[in-house]
Amino acid sequence: GAVVSQHPSRVICKSGTSVKIECRSLDFQATTMFWYRQFPKQSLMLMATSNEGSKATYEQGVEKDKFLINHASLTLSTLTVTSAHPEDSSFYICSALSTGGVWGYTFGSGTRLTVV
Amino acid sequence: DAKTTQPNSMESNEEEPVHLPCNHSTISGTDYIHWYRQLPSQGPEYVIHGLTSNVNNRMASLAIAEDRKSSTLILHRATLRDAAVYYCILSGNQGGKLIFGQGTELSVKP
Repeated sequence: GAVVSQHPSRVICKSGTSVKIECRSLDFQATTMFWYRQFPKQSLMLMATSNEGSKATYEQGVEKDKFLINHASLTLSTLTVTSAHPEDSSFYICSALSTGGVWGYTFGSGTRLTVV
Repeated sequence: DAKTTQPNSMESNEEEPVHLPCNHSTISGTDYIHWYRQLPSQGPEYVIHGLTSNVNNRMASLAIAEDRKSSTLILHRATLRDAAVYYCILSGNQGGKLIFGQGTELSVKP
């Protein structure tokens, strides 16, 4: 089945630094990927939709200059949290949409970001 | 985006069937119904999805009401590993974004 690899699984960074999270579709091509964040005891909140070769579409209230998304290939999307602050500490999850054959959404295992 | 309504929590006994309900009264004709589940500190895992007809796979069954305003995820024999938050989500078309609601937290008692 479709597999999405997300890396790193955990990261601790200092306040003011930037962190990059990678999301790879391992056995399929994904023209569309999605980025979510999840706070403890809450549901997933969609941050942005990432389309290969074009600019990401951000949900209302999500700062595009703070959460930089790049989707330069059909198998890789990255989310960079710039100038991270403690309030950015969260669980970040990516999802890739497969459209070949049986279509569907596959999620990565998530990245736990802690900003200290 | 059409919304879904699920109970916040449900309990089940191990080895018994579980019926997880979902209401989606504003569903449109092209909306697919998806079910995912999430264990703590993990990404959501696909369970099942459907459009109009009932669906079965190795994990579960999806029963869709005739008017499509509600659906039920059926786990035929709950195990302790089925304890998770279950999300019922609608997608507007093949490839539309998935907007998560609060989901149902299922606990399974031995």
